[in-house]
Amino acid sequence: KNQVEQSPQSLIILEGKNCTLQCNYTVSPFSNLRWYKQDTGRGPVSLTIMTFSENTKSNGRYTATLDADTKQSSLHITASQLSDSASYICVVSDRGSTLGRLYFGRGTQLTVWP
Amino acid sequence: EADIYQTPRYLVIGTGKKITLECSQTMGHDKMYWYQQDPGMELHLIHYSYGVNSTEKGDLSSESTVSRIRTEHFPLTLESARPSHTSQYLCASSESRAGVGQFFGPGTRLTVL
Repeated sequence: KNQVEQSPQSLIILEGKNCTLQCNYTVSPFSNLRWYKQDTGRGPVSLTIMTFSENTKSNGRYTATLDADTKQSSLHITASQLSDSASYICVVSDRGSTLGRLYFGRGTQLTVWP
Repeated sequence: EADIYQTPRYLVIGTGKKITLECSQTMGHDKMYWYQQDPGMELHLIHYSYGVNSTEKGDLSSESTVSRIRTEHFPLTLESARPSHTSQYLCASSESRAGVGQFFGPGTRLTVL
C-alpha cells in the first residue's frame, strides 16, 4: 500500500534554533517528492520539489534531502522564525498514472516560540 | 497576478441546505482538484478534472458533485448538507505535464449544524 509517514507529529522549538522533519514513504513507482508549508486555515504552499535524481534542494532557510534508495526525505529549517510556525506536509507523487497521483502525509505541526 | 481563489473562506450552514463552493484560477491550468482535509489529518482527493467537461471522482468517496464548464472555474456542490460534511475543502490546479506541483487555494472551512 502506498503510504507517506511523517515524524514527529508535532514539534516545539525556540526562535533561532534549527530543526529537522522526517518523511518516509512507500510510494512506487516514485516520481517526485514535495514539501509544502500550510499555515492554519490556509492552503498548502510548495517549498521544494525533488525528483529521483536529486538528493538535496534548498529554498532559503529550508533544505530538503531525498534518499530514494531508503525512501526517506527530510526538511531542515535553519534559524527558525516565528513565521515558520505551520504544518509541514510531505507529498509523494507516483508515475503510474497520467494523473500523477499524490500521496499526502499527515504533516508535522511546528510551533516556534519566542 | 496568477492565482487560485476560493469563496467563501468560511461557511456555517444548516442541515439540508444546498451549497456551492467556488474555485477559480487565473493560471490557465488544465488540471484542477478538490481535496477534503479534517484537522490534523492528510488531504484526501475527492474530485479532479483534466479539462473542460472532464470530471472524475477521487479516492475518498464524497456526496458532492463538481462541474467544469470553463477552464478557470471548478465549483463543488453539495445538494443537501449534513454535519458529516463539516471539513476544510481545498481546491488546487496544475499544468498538464507530469511532475509539476499543484497550486492550492486558501480553502473553504465548512461547518454544517
